[in-house]
This record gives sequence, C-alpha cells and structure tokens, in this order.
Amino acid sequence: EVQLVESGGGLVQPGGSLRLSCAASGFTFSDYWLHWVRQAPGKGLVWVSRINTDGLITSYADSVKGRFTISRDNAKKTLFLQMSNLRDEDTAVYYCARVLPGFSYDYWGQGTLVTVSS
Amino acid sequence: QSALTQPPSVSGSPGQSVTISCTGASSDVGAYDSVSWYQQYPGKAPKLFIYDVYMRPSGVHDRFSGSRSGNTASLTISGLQAEDEADYHCCSYAGRDTWVFGGGTKLTVL
Repeated sequence: EVQLVESGGGLVQPGGSLRLSCAASGFTFSDYWLHWVRQAPGKGLVWVSRINTDGLITSYADSVKGRFTISRDNAKKTLFLQMSNLRDEDTAVYYCARVLPGFSYDYWGQGTLVTVSS
Repeated sequence: QSALTQPPSVSGSPGQSVTISCTGASSDVGAYDSVSWYQQYPGKAPKLFIYDVYMRPSGVHDRFSGSRSGNTASLTISGLQAEDEADYHCCSYAGRDTWVFGGGTKLTVL
C-alpha cells in the first residue's frame, strides 16, 4: 500500500525556519516525481514545489521562490521541504503528493500544519 | 501563476446532475492534456477523481466525468448522492515546470 506521511509542522514566528519531511512507503520511491502542495485554512489548494526523480531538477511557485528548498533522499525514501524567512501567509496545511507521468497527483499524504505567527 | 477560476459553490438534489467549471488560459488548461480533479472532504487529504482531462482512476464511479472546451475544463457529476457532498479542486500543468490549482468548489447535495 502506497503511503506518504508528512511531519515537521508546527508553530513558528515570522522570519523563522522549518523543515518538513515526507516519508514514503509501498512503492519505488526513486521512480516518481514528488510535489508539495499547501492549503491555507478555509482556502483552496496551491502548488508549492516539485522535484524530479534524482533530485537534480526542481521548480517553485513564485510566492516561495528563494525562501523554500525542496530535496529528496532516495535511499531513505524521504522528501523534504526546507522553509525559511516564513511569513504569515505561509500558514497552511502542507501536503506531499506523488505525481503520475501525466502530471496529476495519485497519492497524497495526510498533511502537516504550519502556523506562522508571533 | 494565476489560479484557475472555479465557482465557490454549486448545489443539486439527489439524482440530479451538476457541472463544476474550471476556467484557465491558453497557457494552462487550453494548452496541456494535464487537467485533473480532486475530491476533498473536510479535514482530509484530496483524492484524485479525474486525470488527463477525462480519465477516471480505478475505483472512481462512472457518475464522474471530465471534459474540456477551449480554456475551460468541467467536472460533471450525474446521479448525485449524499456522499458526493465535498470540495472539488481542479489542477492544470501551466508550463515551465509549474502547476496551478483552482480555488475549489463546495458541492452541496440538497
């Protein structure tokens, strides 16, 4: 069974940093692109970042470019999102998601809540 | 990276059909066959319901169908059931390694 389990969320002050993790199981981790998608309370989904299979190609939404870094450890089957210089508007549930070849998300984690507040 | 446009809410009675629109641009919805739809219950993770514009994953009922005309994609749910009440989100590849979602639509079954 495919599973994605996020962790690392919590309360952080504006300007602070946080590192999210997404532990994968049930599939060949190194075969798939992975994404981070976030959802602010009561709002829609927003694409954040993506990484290819070997971790060498990444892309980011303009709103997080220069502040967030996506990475992966294929040996440990884990996806990461390093977030720095956090702002109030980064408050959201952050989901990791597996990507099909056609660019849709077939499996999602349960999400981890990041709250940026003083 | 402008969000796709979805109606905030739609509603229908059991047994009826409803259609949720997702309007983008010629650079995203109109350009790529990478439109997908997700169902989300409150407090839960999204679930893939339609991919590649009109394809259904195994396990998704054929009451759910996807289509596209120009820069607007649509999700049609026929034979509405109480358990269909949820939020629905569309998503499209937008080129240059970016993706864009709609704002989400809350479906109410009356």
